[in-house]
Amino acid sequence: GIQVEQSPPDLILQEGANSTLRCNFSDSVNNLQWFHQNPWGQLINLFYIPSGTKQNGRLSATTVATERYSLLYISSSQTTDSGVYFCAVPRENTDKLIFGTGTRLQIFP
Amino acid sequence: GAVVSQHPSWVICKSGTSVKIECRSLDFQATTMFWYRQFPKQSLMLMATSNEGSKATYEQGVEKDKFLINHASLTLSTLTVTSAHPEDSSFYICSARGQGLEQYFGPGTRLTVT
Repeated sequence: GIQVEQSPPDLILQEGANSTLRCNFSDSVNNLQWFHQNPWGQLINLFYIPSGTKQNGRLSATTVATERYSLLYISSSQTTDSGVYFCAVPRENTDKLIFGTGTRLQIFP
Repeated sequence: GAVVSQHPSWVICKSGTSVKIECRSLDFQATTMFWYRQFPKQSLMLMATSNEGSKATYEQGVEKDKFLINHASLTLSTLTVTSAHPEDSSFYICSARGQGLEQYFGPGTRLTVT
């Protein structure tokens, strides 16, 4: 089945720093979502981005479907950005999401 | 828009008892709902998929007689953990999908079995 790997697994930054999170997937996909899981466990939808680039405030994402990766950019990090970031893609020919391994981000003041 | 709720937020139960978790889509009709399980410091693992009015489909390795799923309406799905054991302690998260492909997630239910 499709494999979804994220890097880095952990990232510790000071407030104000920028970061890039990567999601690699092993097969072609027609859907990709980025989520932020906050310290209370809630998953927050960040982007639905099967291809191309999108921006929302300090966050932006780019998916290069032909090369099977997606990037999430966080600029001017704030402590509230702390948590785990997941990407997820559908299993082949289904709407069932396979989640990546996650990147744990800690932002210190 | 696209709000999904779960109830309860957390529950503690004794070994051998059953626990029901509700998942509701508050402002849209969910054609499909999904149930996930997450152990500490791990990723989310899909347990089952449910469509309104039909039987749920379970992922390999998930016991359908232990994790009963009922999708009674386009806004409500329930997961019942039957005869719970300590190894069932976990964070259970539901998601819902409307007409599009994007899934929206509930806040999760933390289950502790003593």
